[in-house]
Amino acid sequence: DVKVTQSSRYLVKRTGEKVFLECVQDMDHENMFWYRQDPGLGLRLIYFSYDVKMKEKGDIPEGYSVSREKKERFSLILESASTNQTSMYLCASSWGYRDTASGNTIYFGEGSWLTVV
Amino acid sequence: AQKVTQAQTEISVVEKEDVTLDCVYETRDTTYYLFWYKQPPSGELVFLIRRNSFDEQNEISGRYSWNFQKSTSSFNFTITASQVVDSAVYFCAQGSGYSTLTFGKGTMLLVSP
Repeated sequence: DVKVTQSSRYLVKRTGEKVFLECVQDMDHENMFWYRQDPGLGLRLIYFSYDVKMKEKGDIPEGYSVSREKKERFSLILESASTNQTSMYLCASSWGYRDTASGNTIYFGEGSWLTVV
Repeated sequence: AQKVTQAQTEISVVEKEDVTLDCVYETRDTTYYLFWYKQPPSGELVFLIRRNSFDEQNEISGRYSWNFQKSTSSFNFTITASQVVDSAVYFCAQGSGYSTLTFGKGTMLLVSP
């Protein structure tokens, strides 16, 4: 089974703090993603990565950065947390170009609930 | 541009009722994929099904069934004899090639005993 693990389920941070959300997948997937989920807005893509050290902006990258130093790990960074970044964050991964059978089925982690006070 | 619409924000049913969740998509691509995910209260999105655009056969898996109709750009999801454990938010999504997926805003299903 695919396993996507997010290091923290619940975090409370103060405004202005630097926040790291860590994600690890164990399926050797090329692609990794960070989404944000808010009531009424559904899932919005923040950043994604097709390979190590590679990143692409999603729909709402402002206020976020990412790091992918190893294939299995994808980190989301909030350089200076703000209250409007209080949300649920979902990490996900998928096969890339190598696997045509599964295409781009995305597998998600359990989510990280971040509260910025 | 791709778009996925789940017009039903919230649905409430009583256990054992059948329920259909609607999904309408928009795409200019001729080859694409459609997905359904389930998000229980625990938070994790669980992959349920993926369909290719060239395969319009309906699919049944236990109490779950999916109706894909290209003519109406719809990919509806039916739960037969619903159970309390089916209570969750359900997301429909669409993707083409190896692009990122476009998700609908989700439908919250509440099944009461």
